[in-house]
Amino acid sequence: AQKITQTQPGMFVQEKEAVTLDCTYDTSDPSYGLFWYKQPSSGEMIFLIYQGSYDQQNATEGRYSLNFQKARKSANLVISASQLGDSAMYFCVLAGTGNQFYFGTGTSLTVIP
Amino acid sequence: EPEVTQTPSHQVTQMGQEVILRCVPISNHLYFYWYRQILGQKVEFLVSFYNNEISEKSEIFDDQFSVERPDGSNFTLKIRSTKLEDSAMYFCASKGAPYGYTFGSGTRLTVV
Repeated sequence: AQKITQTQPGMFVQEKEAVTLDCTYDTSDPSYGLFWYKQPSSGEMIFLIYQGSYDQQNATEGRYSLNFQKARKSANLVISASQLGDSAMYFCVLAGTGNQFYFGTGTSLTVIP
Repeated sequence: EPEVTQTPSHQVTQMGQEVILRCVPISNHLYFYWYRQILGQKVEFLVSFYNNEISEKSEIFDDQFSVERPDGSNFTLKIRSTKLEDSAMYFCASKGAPYGYTFGSGTRLTVV
């Protein structure tokens, strides 16, 4: 069974500070991928970053980095130098060898000026 | 970079009416999906489609729902007789090389 857990329903961060959004997962698939998506209030789903289970290095995309700890089954998203436009809902998503994506419940991030 | 395109972005319909949500997946992708997100809730899997047939569906995807790939480019979700609780954001996604899994920007369906 696949499971993805985001334990922080809401987070606040000061502008220009870094913030970590937590994500843990559980899967029996030997190969899987972990994604982070941003959903602003307008509703669209914006891809941020991807980590493959066999990737040797943690993924980075601009201000986004993924702190992947395979043994702990965690895939935390780190946003550096937060901007007001980062205020949104953030979803951690697991893709196994099956067809579906499994979404976490999301973390609502608010960036404070 | 290629995108998954969904139309319309917003749709309002009366309860009991049929709606068709349209999606244009990334060309040469072979797997297609619909997901649903009721306002303020989790994103839920509805259905996956491969080789012109449904490969997997959730218990949400009952007889009121159907999917179709009527031509080489479009992938549609039809809701036959909409209910108030069908109000949600509907996301289409496609999967394939080289971009992996890609979501569309969604269609916000409001049933009144």
